[in-house]
Amino acid sequence: AQSVTQLDSHVSVSEGTPVLLRCNYSSSYSPSLFWYVQHPNKGLQLLLKYTSAATLVKGINGFEAEFKKSETSFHLTKPSAHMSDAAEYFCVVTDLTGGGNKLTFGTGTQLKVEL
Amino acid sequence: DAGVTQSPTHLIKTRGQHVTLRCSPISGHKSVSWYQQVLGQGPQFIFQYYEKEERGRGNFPDRFSARQFPNYSSELNVNALLLGDSALYLCASSLEPTSGGVYEQYFGPGTRLTVT
Repeated sequence: AQSVTQLDSHVSVSEGTPVLLRCNYSSSYSPSLFWYVQHPNKGLQLLLKYTSAATLVKGINGFEAEFKKSETSFHLTKPSAHMSDAAEYFCVVTDLTGGGNKLTFGTGTQLKVEL
Repeated sequence: DAGVTQSPTHLIKTRGQHVTLRCSPISGHKSVSWYQQVLGQGPQFIFQYYEKEERGRGNFPDRFSARQFPNYSSELNVNALLLGDSALYLCASSLEPTSGGVYEQYFGPGTRLTVT
């Protein structure tokens, strides 16, 4: 079965400093991976996706993620945090068994951005 | 273009009742998926439909059912509600589930269900 593990439940950074949200995956085949963001009382917004093309994926709002097969990791980064980045972030892997395309979510990382 | 829409936004039900949640996908999307997000956790997959056929079912009891209509909108039904069914129910739409590629899923704002 496909799964992801988000290594930090909470991350706190100062505005203007780099952001690193860590995710490891487990997959029996070449995975498709996503990062989604959820602001309070809002739905989920897709930040970026990896589907076996370039290993460095650029997303919206200055976020990017690097797929590292040797480390089974897909960490999310941003060079400079903004107050508006405060939200919950989910690492997600696609499970294609059974002919469908279900998403398996990690437990989430709550990002706090302080002045 | 309109995104994924869900109704109602909020709902309060009593244990034992049933509930119907509705979802309209993005225009042109033929696949709809349902997820349950309990407070403090990541969303859990419930169902996926494509062209009115079930393409996947998560680990949920038979009290949960769904269907997709010819216009690709979908309903999620939950019978005999339990307190533990209180959650945010999210609907997501995408192009066909898989066709040699993986299509991202776009989520609606969700329906907040409270069971008392």
